[in-house]
Amino acid sequence: AQKVTQAQTEISVVEKEDVTLDCVYETRDTTYYLFWYKQPPSGELVFLIRRNSFDEQNEISGRYSWNFQKSTSSFNFTITASQVVDSAVYFCALVGAGNMLTFGGGTRLMVKP
Amino acid sequence: SAVISQKPSRDICQRGTSLTIQCQVDSQVTMMFWYRQQPGQSLTLIATANQGSEATYESGFVIDKFPISRPNLTFSTLTVSNMSPEDSSIYLCSVPFKTGREKAEAFFGQGTRLTVV
Repeated sequence: AQKVTQAQTEISVVEKEDVTLDCVYETRDTTYYLFWYKQPPSGELVFLIRRNSFDEQNEISGRYSWNFQKSTSSFNFTITASQVVDSAVYFCALVGAGNMLTFGGGTRLMVKP
Repeated sequence: SAVISQKPSRDICQRGTSLTIQCQVDSQVTMMFWYRQQPGQSLTLIATANQGSEATYESGFVIDKFPISRPNLTFSTLTVSNMSPEDSSIYLCSVPFKTGREKAEAFFGQGTRLTVV
């Protein structure tokens, strides 16, 4: 069975602060993929990143960065210099051999001006 | 990458009625997934729709309540039957991705925001 845990249900920061969203996963599959999605108030899911289990390189994309630690089964997401437009619910998700996504509970990020 | 068109984008329905949500993909896919997201909650898989066979439902979801059609490799529908306010949710269709050595993407429709009154 697969499981994704996002321990932080809600985070509130002030604009320009850095914020890290935590994600811990469980899977028995040796090959798997990890994802982060953003869900703004409009409801659509916006794909942010994917990572496969064989690639532990950290990635940076603009103000976003991801830290994949296989040893601790974590795939954390950091937003640098947060902006009000970053306010959304963020989901971490996992897919293994079954091809369907297992989602974490989501973290609601509120960035205040 | 796949493009998924889902409709309606939102609807307000009377309790006891049914709503059919459509999902059209711009390429042929073997499996399609239907998810439900209740207010303030995460996404939960309802069922997997395979072309040419009956859908596979997850625990807690039954065919009588959520019948699914999969007439071809690019289209699927999900019906929410005999609706009650507890069915108010966002419903999303999704297609899987190429796994293995190829890069993987996961694709979602725009979602259907259903409110039952």
